[in-house]
Amino acid sequence: EAGVAQSPRYKIIEKRQSVAFWCNPISGHATLYWYQQILGQGPKLLIQFQNNGVVDDSQLPKDRFSAERLKGVDSTLKIQPAKLEDSAVYLCASSYPTEQYFGPGTRLTVT
Amino acid sequence: GENVEQHPSTLSVQEGDSAVIKCTYSDSASNYFPWYKQELGKRPQLIIDIRSNVGEKKDQRIAVTLNKTAKHFSLHITETQPEDSAVYFCAAQSGGYQKVTFGTGTKLQVIP
Repeated sequence: EAGVAQSPRYKIIEKRQSVAFWCNPISGHATLYWYQQILGQGPKLLIQFQNNGVVDDSQLPKDRFSAERLKGVDSTLKIQPAKLEDSAVYLCASSYPTEQYFGPGTRLTVT
Repeated sequence: GENVEQHPSTLSVQEGDSAVIKCTYSDSASNYFPWYKQELGKRPQLIIDIRSNVGEKKDQRIAVTLNKTAKHFSLHITETQPEDSAVYFCAAQSGGYQKVTFGTGTKLQVIP
């Protein structure tokens, strides 16, 4: 079974620029999560999708972050404009029904 | 919302000794409690989980206990080995859509 795929793996941008991350979950997994993990901290849930609907986006900074999951499969997370404090690893995970499988993450550096 | 506290933040043990990591949660609706191991630069990997209808679960050297009344659950690693060195995260999930909250992590160091 193929795992959760993410791209790019690494991204370096300047502050105020825009960036987008892509996630392809495990086939058949209805739930998709985006996490932000700052170095030395635990994963922080940004947004959770159930199929193509949002279940929880209470910790998503909506003034700069947006996410969508078209057709209930792939998902993109966008940051516009980026700030220095957005430097982190962005993890995507999918689950069905409860056990989460994580992708390799995208390491974002904002300079 | 759910709040998950995890202790200790760092733990050093001698190889062969046991390690215990504890978590507490606040939402009585939480019904699934996974534990993840994250090695440096890698993704979190599920190592064991427990559901609210079970008090204890064991898998070789790893065990998890759950006390629903007290709202706490613990990870026990016996006969620790250097390859057990990593950061361990607990999490609590609840509801039909399994909303999830992670603990703050425990950095375990096993000294050879």
